[in-house]
Amino acid sequence: GAGVSQSPRYKVAKRGQDVALRCDPISGHVSLFWYQQALGQGPEFLTYFQNEAQLDKSGLPSDRFFAERPEGSVSTLKIQRTQQEDSAVYLCASRGGTTEAFFGQGTRLTVV
Amino acid sequence: GQNIDQPTEMTATEGAIVQINCTYQTSGFNGLFWYQQHAGEAPTFLSYNVLDGLEEKGRFSSFLSRSKGYSYLLLKELQMKDSASYLCAVDTGAGSYQLTFGKGTKLSVIP
Repeated sequence: GAGVSQSPRYKVAKRGQDVALRCDPISGHVSLFWYQQALGQGPEFLTYFQNEAQLDKSGLPSDRFFAERPEGSVSTLKIQRTQQEDSAVYLCASRGGTTEAFFGQGTRLTVV
Repeated sequence: GQNIDQPTEMTATEGAIVQINCTYQTSGFNGLFWYQQHAGEAPTFLSYNVLDGLEEKGRFSSFLSRSKGYSYLLLKELQMKDSASYLCAVDTGAGSYQLTFGKGTKLSVIP
């Protein structure tokens, strides 16, 4: 596609439920990032992939968060046993040979 | 740690000029980005500075002083559609090309 695509756009989960968020980066982009954005805040780094390799996961807040990119294109961010503090917008970005990162519209996760 | 500061909110009048400041203290520096984010939408790239000085792009300009850890985004001839959050982000050069963001400045343009 022309841009970064994320699905679903909105997700409501009951506390304790597992969720999976999908990101389709711009075709050919090697670098892929996940960010978490709380209301009224800037995006906070979660994890980074270069092709299929997860090179940095220092921002993942707990071992309930897991990300993968098995074939070096589509990525999935999984959150197990969701808690209310996980409620946020999850942004995916990809970066090719140029300097800027292109962001998707995000998935707004609400844990009730 | 990484620290990026920008004002929380600003208000300016349509047709005017506004300057949004950003100061940073980071462990590394590989460039500074400005992004625009309308409510509920993706951040979109505005500008990139890696060397000191002013970069101009239409109605938007961005300035960087690496020695002072300071940048600003200048918006001229403000339009109502410029009402958005403006995010300052630093590539800290940690090897993963990750961007560390400030909390964003919410700009309201009034008639």
